[in-house]
Amino acid sequence: EPEVTQTPSHQVTQMGQEVILRCVPISNHLYFYWYRQILGQKVEFLVSFYNNEISEKSEIFDDQFSVERPDGSNFTLKIRSTKLEDSAMYFCASSPGDQPQHFGDGTRLSIL
Amino acid sequence: GIQVEQSPPDLILQEGANSTLRCNFSDSVNNLQWFHQNPWGQLINLFYIPSGTKQNGRLSATTVATERYSLLYISSSQTTDSGVYFCAVVGGNEKLTFGTGTRLTIIP
Repeated sequence: EPEVTQTPSHQVTQMGQEVILRCVPISNHLYFYWYRQILGQKVEFLVSFYNNEISEKSEIFDDQFSVERPDGSNFTLKIRSTKLEDSAMYFCASSPGDQPQHFGDGTRLSIL
Repeated sequence: GIQVEQSPPDLILQEGANSTLRCNFSDSVNNLQWFHQNPWGQLINLFYIPSGTKQNGRLSATTVATERYSLLYISSSQTTDSGVYFCAVVGGNEKLTFGTGTRLTIIP
C-alpha cells in the first residue's frame, strides 16, 4: 500500500538555524498538509497546499514558516530561524480530495 | 472553528477487557478519522468514518453525524492496543481538527 514518507526521522538543530523537513506524498494525491504535535499535546494543523499554492494556514504558520513543492514528488516545510518552542513532532499528510488524509511517520524536531 | 472533545481522557484496563471511546464534535463534518498513536509517535489510521458503522477485526467505530458524535469500540484488549487514540474531523474546510485524545493503558 502506498505511504507518505518523511525525512529525516529526527532532526536536532541549534536555535536560530534554518531547518527543512521533507515529505514525499502518495503519488496520485492532490492535497498536502503539515501538522505539528508538541510533546504531550494534541496534533495541530499548520498549512494545507493544493494546486501549487497554500489553500489555508493556521495562526501558528507565521512568516518564519514556508512550504514548497519543488518538483513532482517532494513537499517541504522550511522553518527559517528556529526557536526553542518549535521543538515538536511534525507530520506530513496527503489526500486525493474528499477522502481520508494519510499521515507519514513524522519528523521529531529538537531545538537546542 | 469546530470543537472536538474526547472522553475519557485516560483509561486503564486489564488485558481482555472491552472499551468504548467517545468523540463529540460541535458542527457538521465532511470527514471523521480515528487514529492510534503508538509509543513511537506514529499516527496509525484506524477508520475513515464520516457516518455509519465499520469494523476491522477487534475494532469497530460508529458515527452518528446528526447527533455529532462518534464511538470507537475495542474488544478483547491486548497490551499492543496501549497508546493514545485521537479523533479528528474536517468541517467546512480541508484541515483536520484533532481532539485531545484518550490515553489507553492495557495492563497484562
